Amino acid sequence: DTEVTQTPKHLVMGMTNKKSLKCEQHMGHRAMYWYKQKAKKPPELMFVYSYEKLSINESVPSRFSPECPNSSLLNLHLHALQPEDSALYLCASSQEFRGEQPTGELFFGEGSRLTVL
Amino acid sequence: AQTVTQSQPEMSVQEAETVTLSCTYDTSESDYYLFWYKQPPSRQMILVIRQEAYKQQNATENRFSVNFQKAAKSFSLKISDSQLGDAAMYFCAYRSPYNNNDMRFGAGTRLTVKP
Repeated sequence: DTEVTQTPKHLVMGMTNKKSLKCEQHMGHRAMYWYKQKAKKPPELMFVYSYEKLSINESVPSRFSPECPNSSLLNLHLHALQPEDSALYLCASSQEFRGEQPTGELFFGEGSRLTVL
Repeated sequence: AQTVTQSQPEMSVQEAETVTLSCTYDTSESDYYLFWYKQPPSRQMILVIRQEAYKQQNATENRFSVNFQKAAKSFSLKISDSQLGDAAMYFCAYRSPYNNNDMRFGAGTRLTVKP
């Protein structure tokens, strides 16, 4: 199984709503990522989890709250978002470099297209 | 932080011809990974090819090959015998093994393949 599964594929929410994006992988990867991608732009790193601990937070506003409940799951909780937060949110996973022989690449999900009204 | 630069926002190639996409990067590290990812309109990021910095031999995957020049910090992608399905955004990416699994992307090059 070499897939990263993201749900939902599309999400429309109001600025007062609370919603969550979910990501799952069963490749035994211990590093998991959230990226934000605006149209015609590269993915921008938001968060990295390493062994279920947050290792990188790229100064993301607190209205985005990541969670890594176990080694296979990654959530992104959304609350009080702004219209400018509308984007494609990509989840990815990879082997951890520590103590492994990694191939180095990230495996990406298909993304969750978020629209904030 | 490392930076990745793709200086060609758009490129066009005739079907069956060869095209080269450019990428340069800035780093002080001696060991790292470089990648080319493809993102078609379907939006999923797909790995095209990878290169470990410690390997001198250029990576090759079927019609895709790279020209890795470590001293010049250059990592270009050559697509031979271009096909209509190669049309996509191509992103060059740098990954450090030292910085909490950080991975950074260039701005991307949109490749159009003309029939």
